[in-house]
Amino acid sequence: GAGVSQSPSNKVTEKGKDVELRCDPISGHTALYWYRQSLGQGLEFLIYFQGNSAPDKSGLPSDRFSAERTGGSVSTLTIQRTQQEDSAVYLCASTSAGTGRYEQYFGPGTRLTVT
Amino acid sequence: AQSVTQLDSQVPVFEEAPVELRCNYSSSVSVYLFWYVQYPNQGLQLLLKYLSGSTLVESINGFEAEFNKSQTSFHLRKPSVHISDTAEYFCAVTTSGGYQKVTFGTGTKLQVIP
Repeated sequence: GAGVSQSPSNKVTEKGKDVELRCDPISGHTALYWYRQSLGQGLEFLIYFQGNSAPDKSGLPSDRFSAERTGGSVSTLTIQRTQQEDSAVYLCASTSAGTGRYEQYFGPGTRLTVT
Repeated sequence: AQSVTQLDSQVPVFEEAPVELRCNYSSSVSVYLFWYVQYPNQGLQLLLKYLSGSTLVESINGFEAEFNKSQTSFHLRKPSVHISDTAEYFCAVTTSGGYQKVTFGTGTKLQVIP
């Protein structure tokens, strides 16, 4: 597709379960970002990928959070043993190389609800 | 380290009135600045950006922002708002060169009142 896609769009899970969130960036975009958007908190940076490597994981809130990217394309954010405070909208964004690297294209997000 | 402050969490304004959404940043190096907009039930999209050159930048829907280095500000303005401008607006900053980690503000909800 032409834009960044994320799946699922909504996820309801029980506390303690693991979840996987998927991001398909725009084809050819080399950089990929994950953010978390909580009510009244703005966008919280989680992790950045350049190609398949993650030079900046500083935003991951705990070791329950992990992410990977394969083939320089699809990325998966995994949250293990989910907690209620993990409930938020998880956003993915990608950027192209060169001067385009300054403009982030966002996906529609995955709304995660932990019950 | 860089940071962004959006002083107003909500801004109500009557239709056709002017509006200013404030954004201040902090960085020890040169910055690039952005405003992103999130319309209800939609994803974030870039509204305008300052990378270099003219300090006044404009969007296609009438918004403008001015980079003020001395005041470390990048306020967003529109002389006459429309109902369709109701959205949440995020200011963001990154630094030039190397890895461009983008730091976002907490957002300002603009509510246009008919």
